[in-house]
Amino acid sequence: SQKIEQNSEALNIQEGKTATLTCNYTNYSPAYLQWYRQDPGRGPVFLLLIRENEKEKRKERLKVTFDTTLKQSLFHITASQPADSATYLCALDMEGGSYIPTFGRGTSLIVHP
Amino acid sequence: DADVTQTPRNRITKTGKRIMLECSQTKGHDRMYWYRQDPGLGLRLIYYSFDVKDINKGEISDGYSVSRQAQAKFSLSLESAIPNQTALYFCATRQGSEQFFGPGTRLTVL
Repeated sequence: SQKIEQNSEALNIQEGKTATLTCNYTNYSPAYLQWYRQDPGRGPVFLLLIRENEKEKRKERLKVTFDTTLKQSLFHITASQPADSATYLCALDMEGGSYIPTFGRGTSLIVHP
Repeated sequence: DADVTQTPRNRITKTGKRIMLECSQTKGHDRMYWYRQDPGLGLRLIYYSFDVKDINKGEISDGYSVSRQAQAKFSLSLESAIPNQTALYFCATRQGSEQFFGPGTRLTVL
């Protein structure tokens, strides 16, 4: 069956360090992968999208990689700040398909001052 | 960001009651979705609609129904609420490959 895995344990890091979150998937051939940020009690907010033919995408302090061989995406936040503390969700979608993304359960990031 | 709004934001109800959650959007998007989120389970799709005349079931549609009254409005109904429908409910629209979520409705069924 299709599965998306994100680390259920919270990631705790010190301010200024690079946070790295992982999204693994099985039995998918996604056309693209998205990352969202969700703050407690609020709706997810889109951050970045990376397509299957892209290895890396950057936006300010954010970097996403996509390895279709390993079936894995890594999400990096450099120079992390306490304001980056949130839950980060990955979502997979199929090109020209159903427009029905499948979301992972998310990983909580806590950045300590 | 008030592009996608949901009402009510919080609701406490009793088992067996009929409940309607409303979603409105000003983004002009055709695609709209209803999700529920439970601790540890992530976002699960209830229903989706790609235009006013299109309604589709998601992975957990049992016990729910929807109405797409207009391009801008997509309502979710619980015909007879039960306690395991206690959750955080999100409406979302989609433009291209990006989804835009509403602020959520926290529903508690006693």
